[in-house]
Amino acid sequence: EPEVTQTPSHQVTQMGQEVILRCVPISNHLYFYWYRQILGQKVEFLVSFYNNEISEKSEIFDDQFSVERPDGSNFTLKIRSTKLEDSAMYFCASLYGPERQFFGPGTRLTVL
Amino acid sequence: GENVEQHPSTLSVQEGDSAVIKCTYSDSASNYFPWYKQELGKRPQLIIDIRSNVGEKKDQRIAVTLNKTAKHFSLHITETQPEDSAVYFCAARSGTYKYIFGTGTRLKVLA
Repeated sequence: EPEVTQTPSHQVTQMGQEVILRCVPISNHLYFYWYRQILGQKVEFLVSFYNNEISEKSEIFDDQFSVERPDGSNFTLKIRSTKLEDSAMYFCASLYGPERQFFGPGTRLTVL
Repeated sequence: GENVEQHPSTLSVQEGDSAVIKCTYSDSASNYFPWYKQELGKRPQLIIDIRSNVGEKKDQRIAVTLNKTAKHFSLHITETQPEDSAVYFCAARSGTYKYIFGTGTRLKVLA
């Protein structure tokens, strides 16, 4: 069964550095999402992406964040200047129609 | 803004008993409500979902009910087993592209 994949599984970075988190959605899916989950807390919506543009974003998704689909398979989340509070698990999700999301395994981001 | 409240935050049941988790959403335009199970360190996994034009849906030991008027929906797990132990999240689709998650319920099934 096809799955969403994410790399790396764990990223450690220094405060102020840029990070890029990568996702490969399921191949025929059209809608792509990024979520954040701080340890022990709920899953928080960051952004949705459809037809090569952002469809919706949350208040968390400020100017420090950007998303891109650089080719036909990858979907990336960039954080320009990381802060300590960006430490979290970041999940990518994709879906074919606007309902059943499939989540990737997540990238644990640790900002020191 | 949109919000989903979820109760209880923790729930312990004896193996074989039923478990019920409740959620309330704020956006009356929400029309799709998935439930996810998340084991420690793993990704959320969809276990059941319901659309707003349906009041109840069942899949083996799992059922979901929806009361659109009250903006409530609930997850029911019958004949609980130790492997049901996990964190469960409800969610509501707000608009076409945005999903708002509840705060999670840590379910512990005691053998």
